[in-house]
Amino acid sequence: QVQLQESGPGLVRPSETLSLTCSVSGGSISPYFWNWIRQPPGKGLEWIGYVFYNGDTNYSPSLKRRVSMSVDTSKDQVSLTLTSVTAADTAVYYCARGGTVITTNDYWGQGILVTVSS
Amino acid sequence: QSALTQPASVSGSPGQSITISCTGTSSDVGGYNYVSWYQQHPGRAPKVMIYQVFKRPLGVSNRFSGSKSGNTASLTISGLQAEDEADYYCSSYTSSRTLVFGGGTKLTVL
Repeated sequence: QVQLQESGPGLVRPSETLSLTCSVSGGSISPYFWNWIRQPPGKGLEWIGYVFYNGDTNYSPSLKRRVSMSVDTSKDQVSLTLTSVTAADTAVYYCARGGTVITTNDYWGQGILVTVSS
Repeated sequence: QSALTQPASVSGSPGQSITISCTGTSSDVGGYNYVSWYQQHPGRAPKVMIYQVFKRPLGVSNRFSGSKSGNTASLTISGLQAEDEADYYCSSYTSSRTLVFGGGTKLTVL
């Protein structure tokens, strides 16, 4: 059974950088797309971007200036970095396996709440 | 990219059928057969119920079905059960090779 687990700091100061890791177990990173999706408290889902197993990426137009994603196939991990965070970036962050197309999202992590506050 | 349009809420009685719509444009919903639907219970991660417009993952009840006509996709839940009460989100692939979500629909089982 494929399992995803997000990890990283739960509190980030404004203007600093948010860094999260998604560890994949029970399956392989390849040949899949991996999405990062976030959900502000009480609000809907927002797609942040994807990283393909070969390292190709694409990001949401609204976040692309601040986002980067990477993949480490040797560790079965994908990573998210979001720079210059503000309170508006406070959300539960999910990683999800997009599948062989980015839209399937058949496996999700439990999510990690990241709060941006001083 | 703009979010896909979903009704904020729908409701139905046990045993009834309900349909949730998801309206986009020819650059997303209408242009590709890559619409997915997710169910999310409070405090839980979303779960895919339908992918590629009408396909059901293993283990998802056949009470859930998906369809698409033009720029609008639909999720139908038949034989409503109390456990179906949740938030539902649609998503679509877009011409920019991105993913876009709908604003979400709260389903209440009366």
